[in-house]
Amino acid sequence: DQQVKQNSPSLSVQEGRISILNCDYTNSMFDYFLWYKKYPAEGPTFLISISSIKDKNEDGRFTVFLNKSAKHLSLHIVPSQPGDSAVYFCAARVRAGTASKLTFGTGTRLQVTL
Amino acid sequence: GAGVSQSPSNKVTEKGKDVELRCDPISGHTALYWYRQSLGQGLEFLIYFQGNSAPDKSGLPSDRFSAERTGGSVSTLTIQRTQQEDSAVYLCASSRQPNQPQHFGDGTRLSIL
Repeated sequence: DQQVKQNSPSLSVQEGRISILNCDYTNSMFDYFLWYKKYPAEGPTFLISISSIKDKNEDGRFTVFLNKSAKHLSLHIVPSQPGDSAVYFCAARVRAGTASKLTFGTGTRLQVTL
Repeated sequence: GAGVSQSPSNKVTEKGKDVELRCDPISGHTALYWYRQSLGQGLEFLIYFQGNSAPDKSGLPSDRFSAERTGGSVSTLTIQRTQQEDSAVYLCASSRQPNQPQHFGDGTRLSIL
């Protein structure tokens, strides 16, 4: 049972435009969400996170939005740059105080074109 | 080094052999995690170590898989009697505290022939 879903396996966006990556989850016990970026042959790199008590977190060109009622989060990248081309993983964690293992989605491959 | 270090980066072995994968976490990080990524899949949690507490082994897929963390630092993941379905990239991560973002190594790509 896939508790974290990224339904778009790939996304192509022109340089300078906005990239929107989506993620849905089913487990209402998740209280913390993260986005990781992964280049080929490298490990995932932490990008940005959001706690379930917030609905938005912004860091430079990256903004994560959380809609708890819809169990949906999204990552916005604006403006998109060629170096943003990578696989993006959404991850979620159950409430603090329990094991901190992350549950990951299957990833979305973002291609930023010139 | 500054990041999580994993070795070997690639491992090819025959079905039925045992393999040992190594992870050096970031210095000072108390929490250590193992995940694996099979082809076309997301990362799958395997095991989690926190300080001197008993590890969370809930993600280990079978009793052929085991892991240990010696001295609260280096960890080894051992797979006995490997099967072809064990082929995957095995990723190690560490975090300073359990509820802080995890930092990943570049993984070990394991191929079982």
